[in-house]
Amino acid sequence: QKEVEQNSGPLSVPEGAIASLNCTYSDRVSQSFFWYRQYSGKSPELIMSIYSNGDKEDGRFTAQLNKASQYVSLLIRDSQPSDSATYLCALTGSGYALNFGKGTSLLVTP
Amino acid sequence: ETGVTQTPRHLVMGMTNKKSLKCEQHLGHNAMYWYKQSAKKPLELMFVYSLEERVENNSVPSRFSPECPNSSHLFLHLHTLQPEDSALYLCASATGGVSPLHFGNGTRLTVT
Repeated sequence: QKEVEQNSGPLSVPEGAIASLNCTYSDRVSQSFFWYRQYSGKSPELIMSIYSNGDKEDGRFTAQLNKASQYVSLLIRDSQPSDSATYLCALTGSGYALNFGKGTSLLVTP
Repeated sequence: ETGVTQTPRHLVMGMTNKKSLKCEQHLGHNAMYWYKQSAKKPLELMFVYSLEERVENNSVPSRFSPECPNSSHLFLHLHTLQPEDSALYLCASATGGVSPLHFGNGTRLTVT
């Protein structure tokens, strides 16, 4: 069983703070890693992808990957109430499709 | 029209009904997917088609029957469903390999 583990939350942060979302995985063959954002009642939306160890920044978002520790994270700087959503960690395995975690619910309070 | 389009957005059906979900992608992708999303559970992969051939089938009950007539269209035919099949059904497409998935808006299915 290929596991993707995320803390379900809710993670509550004040507006303007940094939100840190974490994900661990068990399949060492995983090569590509993605973060999706899903608003309530909506479909997942891709916000970040990362393929090699280190950090990748895109606007207020930074993805961090450590394949040795089997760990990927997402940092959201200057969090806004509109960032309140569920964040899904996803990664490739040995098959054709992505494996998803259950997601972490983020609440940004004004 | 762009992206991945799913119809209908909402569907209520009885356990003896037969219905179909439709998905269309306008991204030129080669692979299409059906996922099921239930409350408190991770997204569950149901079927994968690559270049119109089914390449993955994750032990899905036979009451779900996929069809991929071409690389732009994907259907999920439903018959004699159970109440526990109520969920959000998501279609996605990708270029294949290690590329990310692009999701449609989903069909919210309720089985009564």
